Amino acid sequence: DAKTTQPPSMDCAEGRAANLPCNHSTISGNEYVYWYRQIHSQGPQYIIHGLKNNETNEMASLIITEDRKSSTLILPHATLRDTAVYYCIVRVDYGGSQGNLIFGKGTKLSVKP
Amino acid sequence: GAGVSQSPRYKVAKRGQDVALRCDPISGHVSLFWYQQALGQGPEFLTYFQNEAQLDKSGLPSDRFFAERPEGSVSTLKIQRTQQEDSAVYLCASSPEQRGYIQYFGAGTRLSVL
Repeated sequence: DAKTTQPPSMDCAEGRAANLPCNHSTISGNEYVYWYRQIHSQGPQYIIHGLKNNETNEMASLIITEDRKSSTLILPHATLRDTAVYYCIVRVDYGGSQGNLIFGKGTKLSVKP
Repeated sequence: GAGVSQSPRYKVAKRGQDVALRCDPISGHVSLFWYQQALGQGPEFLTYFQNEAQLDKSGLPSDRFFAERPEGSVSTLKIQRTQQEDSAVYLCASSPEQRGYIQYFGAGTRLSVL
């Protein structure tokens, strides 16, 4: 699986959009980009994933560059509860139930009032 | 519905003790994963089950670590003769058969070995 690079920390004002970048310059054509987050004292939580098109769900939007070498997770209106470590993970989607996740150190997002 | 449940939430063990950590996955989830998370690091993969079959145990750090899932539901991670370096949060995740790319995590068990 391709390696990802994320900034170690970011701050965001409450109510503003939080844009979390991720570099994955060695991504292969069949690898997906996944985002998970981990709130303090909880297990990681799935947010969103995509292959090459931009994706949006009730939690966030995922913007993937045309060359797929980087992506940005967007939390449109950050709240204090969005303070967490955000992990960008690249992996092949086997389509079935297998495949461990390879986590890096992630980005610690602090949402401030 | 109920999520992934892990017990105990906290475990303190003396060096050399054996410990057993339990994971109750979401009902009906075929796949089950164990991860180890050291302080300040991301989770690291330990082992993977599909139903009762342990298909990947490449992440287990030593032969003191053993995992089982005898009936394809509840899983137990056992650590024998615990060492201080085993201190970490142990996370369990389950995944439904048709959507294996989404894993649902429990809150973890924090193990402290003194």
